[in-house]
Parts: sequence; C-alpha cells; structure tokens
Amino acid sequence: DTEVTQTPKHLVMGMTNKKSLKCEQHMGHRAMYWYKQKAKKPPELMFVYSYEKLSINESVPSRFSPECPNSSLLNLHLHALQPEDSALYLCASSHGVLNEAFFGQGTRLTVV
Amino acid sequence: GENVEQHPSTLSVQEGDSAVIKCTYSDSASNYFPWYKQELGKRPQLIIDIRSNVGEKKDQRIAVTLNKTAKHFSLHITETQPEDSAVYFCAAHGGGPGNQFYFGTGTSLTVIP
Repeated sequence: DTEVTQTPKHLVMGMTNKKSLKCEQHMGHRAMYWYKQKAKKPPELMFVYSYEKLSINESVPSRFSPECPNSSLLNLHLHALQPEDSALYLCASSHGVLNEAFFGQGTRLTVV
Repeated sequence: GENVEQHPSTLSVQEGDSAVIKCTYSDSASNYFPWYKQELGKRPQLIIDIRSNVGEKKDQRIAVTLNKTAKHFSLHITETQPEDSAVYFCAAHGGGPGNQFYFGTGTSLTVIP
C-alpha cells in the first residue's frame, strides 16, 4: 500500500463551524505533514509530526489544530476559519530525511 | 532556514523539444532533492529525485543534475509530450530541524502539440 488517503475530498464550511480533516497511511512512515496550497503556488508547510510528536509548527494560527492519534493517522481540526483559509490542504508522509514524501489527494476547503 | 528559488515560472516548448527547469538552494546541509509534477486539481507526484552523493540521475526522458558546490540542481525533460504539461516543483530536504521539504515556487510547463 503506497497510498496516503485524505478525507473528505471537498469541504465547505461556515466561519463558525468546527470540522476535521483526516489523513491515513499504512506505509510505516514515521513523519507526517500538513501543507496548505493556494492556486498556482507551492505547498506551504504547516505542521510536521515525527514519531507522533509535533516537531514543527510553522507559525500557523491557532484556528488550525493538528493531532496525531497514532503512527498511521493525522488529523487537522478546524475552528473559526476565515475565507482566506480556503485552499487545498495536503497531507504527506515519508520515512524521514532522504526519503520520498507521498502526498494524499488533498482536501479542497472552501470557507464561506 | 532553507530558501529554494526556481526558474522559469512559466515555460512553453514545442512537442519534441527539450525543457529545462533550474533551482538553487541556500543551505549547504540539504542533501535530498526531489522533483514533483502536479497536474491541475491533482496531488504532487514524485517524478525523480537525487541525493547529494550523486551528480546526475536519469530515468527515460527525465534527468536531474546536481551541483553541490554551486548549490543548484536542474530538471531536464527530453522529447517533450503534451502530457508533460503540468506545474513542476523542485524541493530541498534535510538541512533544517526535523523532517521537512522546502519547495521552489513552481514552473508551469506547457507543451504545444
């Protein structure tokens, strides 16, 4: 299994809603990432989990809250988002340094 | 932290011609350099990568070269086909704390039939 699976594929939420994005991999990867990607821009790193511990938080607003329940799962909890948070949210995983990062197909988020 | 620059931002070539995309990086500790292709509405997918102990790597019509001294690496696509049209991102990895990729700004490649 060389897939990173993200759900949902599309999400529309209001600014007062609470929702969660989910990511799952069964490749035994110990590093998992959340990226945000705007149209025609590169993926921007948000969070890195290494061995289920948050190792990097790239100054992301607290309305985004990551969680790594176990080595296969990564969640991103969303609360009180703004319209400018609308983007493609990509999850990725890798064995670690010097290894390919596998990306999920992303969640297309629209905040209304 | 690492800073990855990528040029050109857009590139149009005739089918059958070659395309070259160049990236530079700032952190000499970076030691893994993947290239990703992203088609419209799809996820980034690895097309080729190179590690710092290698100067060149080739996979059919795609090749990557690395110059560690100058801190730059390039993607070469030969005999381009319309299905090569996509956005290409270079990345550098391994120089910073933890495990993370630093992406270039992307090149939108159009292959004209």
